[in-house]
Amino acid sequence: AQSVSQHNHHVILSEAASLELGCNYSYGGTVNLFWYVQYPGQHLQLLLKYFSGDPLVKGIKGFEAEFIKSKFSFNLRKPSVQWSDTAEYFCAVARLNTGFQKLVFGTGTRLLVSP
Amino acid sequence: NAGVTQTPKFQVLKTGQSMTLQCAQDMNHEYMSWYRQDPGMGLRLIHYSVGAGITDQGEVPNGYNVSRSTTEDFPLRLLSAAPSQTSVYFCASSYGQGLHDEQFFGPGTRLTVL
Repeated sequence: AQSVSQHNHHVILSEAASLELGCNYSYGGTVNLFWYVQYPGQHLQLLLKYFSGDPLVKGIKGFEAEFIKSKFSFNLRKPSVQWSDTAEYFCAVARLNTGFQKLVFGTGTRLLVSP
Repeated sequence: NAGVTQTPKFQVLKTGQSMTLQCAQDMNHEYMSWYRQDPGMGLRLIHYSVGAGITDQGEVPNGYNVSRSTTEDFPLRLLSAAPSQTSVYFCASSYGQGLHDEQFFGPGTRLTVL
């Protein structure tokens, strides 16, 4: 079955540590890739997206992600996390299917940053 | 713009009760969808609409009905609530249907079915 996998379900880091969250997908063909963040008690917000071009994508709040087509991966990175980055992070893949962009989400990674 | 709005924020139902979750957007987006979020399962697509009068099923449609009489509104109906429908429900909208169209999410409705 086609899916989106996030390998880390829970990550605990200290402030200033580096972050990398893995995301792999199993779809062939053209896809768009997204990372969403959900801060406690809030709705999903878009962190960054990849449509085409430079595989290294920069998003808001110092986050970046690299699309590696050969590995079907779109890992999220941040060189130095802050306490305010505590949130749940979702990778999502969009494929055109019967004319509608359907987002398929990974199961999410809960990040806890300790001060 | 208010973006995507959802009401209510919280709701508790008894098994068998019915209710409607409201979703509205003021961005003139054609495309709207409903997701449910469950722990360890990410978000799953329930129903979606590509325009007024047009709806279709997503990944987990059973137990839910939708209609789209206007561009702005996309309500989700639970005809007979079940405990398995305890979840957080998110509505989303996008301007177009292409791969380049970002989906915007509402704040969610947390539903508990006893």
